[in-house]
Amino acid sequence: SQKIEQNSEALNIQEGKTATLTCNYTNYSPAYLQWYRQDPGRGPVFLLLIRENEKEKRKERLKVTFDTTLKQSLFHITASQPADSATYLCALDFHSNAGNMLTFGGGTRLMVKP
Amino acid sequence: KAGVTQTPRYLIKTRGQQVTLSCSPISGHRSVSWYQQTPGQGLQFLFEYFSETQRNKGNFPGRFSGRQFSNSRSEMNVSTLELGDSALYLCASRPGGSNEKLFFGSGTQLSVL
Repeated sequence: SQKIEQNSEALNIQEGKTATLTCNYTNYSPAYLQWYRQDPGRGPVFLLLIRENEKEKRKERLKVTFDTTLKQSLFHITASQPADSATYLCALDFHSNAGNMLTFGGGTRLMVKP
Repeated sequence: KAGVTQTPRYLIKTRGQQVTLSCSPISGHRSVSWYQQTPGQGLQFLFEYFSETQRNKGNFPGRFSGRQFSNSRSEMNVSTLELGDSALYLCASRPGGSNEKLFFGSGTQLSVL
């Protein structure tokens, strides 16, 4: 069965360092992958989308890579700030007999300490 | 442009009751998706509506149902509530395409006692 895995343990890093979050998937062949940020008590907010034919995408301090051979995406936040503390979710499109749906990983909580 | 609006924000029900949650998408968005979020299971896809038709469906029992109106507003209904239905229910909209990003509301926190 299809599975999306993100590190369920919280990632604690020092302010100014680069945070790297991992998203691994099995039994998928996604055409694209998305990353979202979620703060407590709020809905997820879209950050970046990367397509299967793109190796890397950047937006300000954010960078996403997509390796379809390894079935892995890495999400980097450079020069991290305490305000970056949140849960980060990756999501993949999943095709089934019932149609297409965006399926989310369990998320990784990032804590940036001043 | 107003964001996705979900009402109510909080809801407390007892086992066996039924509940209806409401979602108003961003103006111009024709697709509305519903997700259930719990600490143990994460975000689970319930269903998606597009132009008043259910386009996709997740793996949830028939007690979970939804509908979409001609103005794209959507409702989801859960009948015969169980304790395990306690969760944050999130609604998300997008213009229409299946490869587009989702815009989420703040959710309805449902507690079943």
